[in-house]
This record gives sequence, C-alpha cells and structure tokens, in this order.
Amino acid sequence: QVQVVESGGGLVKPGGSLRLSCAASGFTFSDSYMSWIRQAPGKGLEWLAYISASFSSTNYVDSVKGRFTVSRDNAQNLVHLQMNSLRAEDTAVYYCARWYCSYTTCYPDFWGQGTLVTVSS
Amino acid sequence: QSVLTQPPSASETPGQRVTIACSGSSSNIGINSVNWYQQLPGTAPKLLIYDNDQRPSGVPDRFSGSKSGTSASLAISRLQSEDEADYYCAAWDNSLNVYVFGPGTKVTVL
Repeated sequence: QVQVVESGGGLVKPGGSLRLSCAASGFTFSDSYMSWIRQAPGKGLEWLAYISASFSSTNYVDSVKGRFTVSRDNAQNLVHLQMNSLRAEDTAVYYCARWYCSYTTCYPDFWGQGTLVTVSS
Repeated sequence: QSVLTQPPSASETPGQRVTIACSGSSSNIGINSVNWYQQLPGTAPKLLIYDNDQRPSGVPDRFSGSKSGTSASLAISRLQSEDEADYYCAAWDNSLNVYVFGPGTKVTVL
C-alpha cells in the first residue's frame, strides 16, 4: 500500500536551517510528482511546493520562495525540503504528499503523518 | 486570507445531512477541479473527494461532492459521530499558480 513518512522535524532558532525528508513506498516513485504542505498550530493547510518526477520542474508558494528548496533522490525514493532563514511563522506540521496528476487535474492524494517544525529562540 | 471561502463550522444530529459550501473565483474553482480533504482530530488530512465528485476507494458513498460555476459543495448524508472533523476544499489557482485550500469547516455531530 502507499506509504509516505516524513522525518527531520524539530526545534530550530530563527534564522536557522532544517532539512526534512520524506520516504515514499507503494507506488512508482520515479514517475510521481511529490509535494509539501504545512499546517501551523490550530490553523488551516498551506500548500508549499511540488517537484516533478524528473527534477525538471519545481513550483513554490511565494511565502517560501527563495528560502525553501525541494529536491528528490529517485534511487532512494526520498524527497527533501531544505528550509533556510527560518522564521517563527514557519512553525508548523509539515506534510509530504504524492502530487497526483490525472488528465484534468493535479492534487495531493496520499499524505504522510507529518513532522513538527518549531522555530523559536 | 484564503482565496477559497468556507463556513467555519457546521453541525447536525446523527443520521441527518450536512452540506459545506466552498466559494472561489474564475481563476480556481471556475476553471479547475475541486478536491476535498477530511482531517480527523490529531491526524493528517485524507483525500475525501477528487475531481469535483469522485470518491477514492474506501470512502463511503455518504460523502458526495459537486461543483457549479465558481462554487463547490460537500455533502455528508446519514451523519455519524466519526464524521466529526475539519473539512477543507482545495483547487489549483491559475492566477496565483499555487494550490489553494479553503480555511476549513469544522463539522460537529450534535
């Protein structure tokens, strides 16, 4: 069955960096786009980015553009989110999800359980 | 501030039907499919409806989605206590070039 498992969350100081990882299984990872979504404590969902199957395309929401970078390792079925220049408002649970595209639409379908990132001094 | 709007809450008694509306614009719902997610307390979101009205395998047929123009709705019929959750609509926005979520609707089973 499809499984997505995030890791790497923790406490980091403002201005610091953190790298999240996401291990995927149960589907053809190298053919699949992947995405990151976050949820601040008590708040709604915010889509952050996706990365195409073959690395050629990424897309980011403005709030993280230039600070966050998505990458992937198709040999290891891993996707990463490198987060730099972290701010208090980046505190959230970060979810990794497969970004599924049909003929008509794209959307995150299978989600991981999330990993908590806390930015605080 | 979300580009998609949803009511913050909805409630109904067990066995009844509750409907959640999601309003957008011509750059998102008006031109792209709508998806719905269910987030049970303390858990990750789960895809509930995709492509406006399609249910993934395993989702009960009590859940249904529809879309008309720049609005969409999620209906939960024969409401059960385990349906208490937050429900989010979402769609791609062609103007912002991002995937946008509604603010979420908390469903309470009275």
